Amino acid sequence: GAVVSQHPSWVICKSGTSVKIECRSLDFQATTMFWYRQFPKQSLMLMATSNEGSKATYEQGVEKDKFLINHASLTLSTLTVTSAHPEDSSFYICSARAEYEAFFGQGTRLTVV
Amino acid sequence: ELKVEQNPLFLSMQEGKNYTIYCNYSTTSDRLYWYRQDPGKSLESLFVLLSNGAVKQEGRLMASLDTKARLSTLHITAAVHDLSATYFCAVDRGYGGATNKLIFGTGTLLAVQP
Repeated sequence: GAVVSQHPSWVICKSGTSVKIECRSLDFQATTMFWYRQFPKQSLMLMATSNEGSKATYEQGVEKDKFLINHASLTLSTLTVTSAHPEDSSFYICSARAEYEAFFGQGTRLTVV
Repeated sequence: ELKVEQNPLFLSMQEGKNYTIYCNYSTTSDRLYWYRQDPGKSLESLFVLLSNGAVKQEGRLMASLDTKARLSTLHITAAVHDLSATYFCAVDRGYGGATNKLIFGTGTLLAVQP
């Protein structure tokens, strides 16, 4: 099946700094990618839809100025957590779809100290 | 707003026993997905159900979809310890393909005891 690669797998950063997470579709083109956040023992919550060549669409309650999304090519979407705080610590997962199938990245464990 | 609920949220079962996880959703959708998540890991696709009445089986797991009742079930037969994980159902929100959003259920933590 198709492969979605996410990098880094884990990152620790200091409060107030920014962190960039990359999501790549390795063997197919994805005009749309999705970013999810998962807190411990909870479900995946959709944060935003990343659209190639245009602005991302954010779900209600997600701060677009804090979670910057760039989808500059058909195989790469990036999520930048700006001015990170401890409450942003979470597991972030990207996804891309090919027809009916959905493929997920390995996830990024972000810890803000 | 599409809501997806699973029950139970937590399931402790003995090896060799059978059980069913239920997934209910609030608005019309013809496509439902089941995933497995191990601790600290991303999602592993189990089943893709694309129409009413769809039934798929893989090993000790069987999934079915009733779009009229807005209900999917994941049946576990003769559980083994290796099945211990969190199971999520997810429903398509939209009418397209690659641009559809997946909305996830609350998850069911399955613990299979020896």
